[in-house]
Amino acid sequence: AQSVSQHNHHVILSEAASLELGCNYSYGGTVNLFWYVQYPGQHLQLLLKYFSGDPLVKGIKGFEAEFIKSKFSFNLRKPSVQWSDTAEYFCAVNAKQAGTALIFGKGTTLSVSS
Amino acid sequence: DVKVTQSSRYLVKRTGEKVFLECVQDMDHENMFWYRQDPGLGLRLIYFSYDVKMKEKGDIPEGYSVSREKKERFSLILESASTNQTSMYLCASSSSGAGAKNIQYFGAGTRLSVL
Repeated sequence: AQSVSQHNHHVILSEAASLELGCNYSYGGTVNLFWYVQYPGQHLQLLLKYFSGDPLVKGIKGFEAEFIKSKFSFNLRKPSVQWSDTAEYFCAVNAKQAGTALIFGKGTTLSVSS
Repeated sequence: DVKVTQSSRYLVKRTGEKVFLECVQDMDHENMFWYRQDPGLGLRLIYFSYDVKMKEKGDIPEGYSVSREKKERFSLILESASTNQTSMYLCASSSSGAGAKNIQYFGAGTRLSVL
């Protein structure tokens, strides 16, 4: 069955700490990979995406993610988090065919203390 | 910018009521989706549509139906609302164009409470 697994349900960090959120997927075929973020009270927005090419992708606000095909992983990283990064983060995958729905992980809540 | 608009941010309904959640997108996208978001469960797909009058069941379609009479509008219908349908409902749309890469754009969500 197709699925996305996020390793951590809730991560608590101090400002300036480094962040890595794990994401593994199970999908029979070539995929697009996404990280979405939902800040408190706001709508879901795209943080970064991987379609092909360089497996290290950079997104907004200093986030990056690395696609490791052999491990079916797409981990999100940020070298130094800020209080404003407090949010819920969702990893998602879909097939490369147009119009396919996203399969989401269960989300990771990141709390950053100042 | 792509805009996906959900008609209500908050709704309170009673058990047994028929509930309509409306979603409109302004980018001429072919594909539209309805998800529900619950704490600890992430987003789960209810229904999606890849063309006018076309619909496909997602992972949790039971108790829901959808309508897509016009390209820009995708409605989610709770035929007889139940308390276990209390949730945040998110609408999304995406383009099938060659360069679109299947990126989905989300509305702000409708928080539905069924009492």
